[in-house]
Amino acid sequence: GEDVEQSLFLSVREGDSSVINCTYTDSSSTYLYWYKQEPGAGLQLLTYIFSNMDMKQDQRLTVLLNKKDKHLSLRIADTQTGDSAIYFCAERNDKLIFGTGTRLQVFP
Amino acid sequence: KAGVTQTPRYLIKTRGQQVTLSCSPISGHRSVSWYQQTPGQGLQFLFEYFSETQRNKGNFPGRFSGRQFSNSRSEMNVSTLELGDSALYLCASSSTGMNTEAFFGQGTRLTVV
Repeated sequence: GEDVEQSLFLSVREGDSSVINCTYTDSSSTYLYWYKQEPGAGLQLLTYIFSNMDMKQDQRLTVLLNKKDKHLSLRIADTQTGDSAIYFCAERNDKLIFGTGTRLQVFP
Repeated sequence: KAGVTQTPRYLIKTRGQQVTLSCSPISGHRSVSWYQQTPGQGLQFLFEYFSETQRNKGNFPGRFSGRQFSNSRSEMNVSTLELGDSALYLCASSSTGMNTEAFFGQGTRLTVV
């Protein structure tokens, strides 16, 4: 079946690292994505990873993929108040299947 | 390079009316997908158009329809609006649609009263 799960909330102190987790069910997904949504805005593509990769790093963002456990994570280093938003993971076959979103709150 | 443009940004309609939303993809992109976002159901896939053909469809009633023009611009239409159709409608643009990056517009916020 198609189901992508995320925890609903994450609260971190400014300057700390944030780790947002996601589990998916479709092992045939070839791409996995992370999107960011700020209030009143659309979805901003942050990064993506091929299913044959274990890790991808892009500046402050690190994506880890455990294909065996169907687990995806997004680590944000040195989290800033501007990182406060909802983060969605998504898997893709013929369409994007989104998780429920994790609301990240960064406090000073 | 211009991003994905959705118009209008906001709409208020009455139950029973119909509405048309527009999406202009990134130049050169041929795939346009539509998603509905609500607090209760999250992000759900409506349909995808590629080269003027509907290539994939989600589980929405026939009141939801779409089309794509030769310039890749897409429209979606919702007829006989219901209160539950109130949502943020997002359009995603990608080059081929399959296994490529998808870029989203800002969305159209539809409120049905």
